[in-house]
Amino acid sequence: GQNIDQPTEMTATEGAIVQINCTYQTSGFNGLFWYQQHAGEAPTFLSYNVLDGLEEKGRFSSFLSRSKGYSYLLLKELQMKDSASYLCAVKDSNYQLIWGAGTKLIIKP
Amino acid sequence: DVKVTQSSRYLVKRTGEKVFLECVQDMDHENMFWYRQDPGLGLRLIYFSYDVKMKEKGDIPEGYSVSREKKERFSLILESASTNQTSMYLCASSPPTDTGELFFGEGSRLTVL
Repeated sequence: GQNIDQPTEMTATEGAIVQINCTYQTSGFNGLFWYQQHAGEAPTFLSYNVLDGLEEKGRFSSFLSRSKGYSYLLLKELQMKDSASYLCAVKDSNYQLIWGAGTKLIIKP
Repeated sequence: DVKVTQSSRYLVKRTGEKVFLECVQDMDHENMFWYRQDPGLGLRLIYFSYDVKMKEKGDIPEGYSVSREKKERFSLILESASTNQTSMYLCASSPPTDTGELFFGEGSRLTVL
């Protein structure tokens, strides 16, 4: 079966750096997405990786290793507003999205 | 500002009632999707549509149907609501590009008593 694994919950300190991991086993691969979802709100797009390597976008970076079935989202200079759930999703060989359960990130002052 | 609008943020219905969840997008996107989101689970695809009048079953279509009469509108119908359909329902749209970034509505939280 297809599976996306990410930690259920993480805690970090304001101003610090946090890395949220995502591992996947899917039938084929056509890209990996990260979305941010604040409590009670819609998910919003953060990043898309289809080739190996690091994509940087401001304070957020996303890394992909297709051979290892692994990605991470790196958040730097954490702010309180970064408290949210972070969703990892992989597009499989049929171009359908397979979603992880999400990682709830708690930022403490 | 691009927008996906879901008609109701919160609904409470009784078992056996028919439920309509409406979704409208203003981005002229071809693709539209209905997901449900439950604690501890990833988003699960109920139905999707790549064009007007077209619909495809997702992973969990049982107990649901959809309608897409106009490009901008995609409706989810629960013919006879059951308690196990209590959930957050998310509508999304996307352009027909490789990245396929999804734009989500705010969600409709349905409680079936």
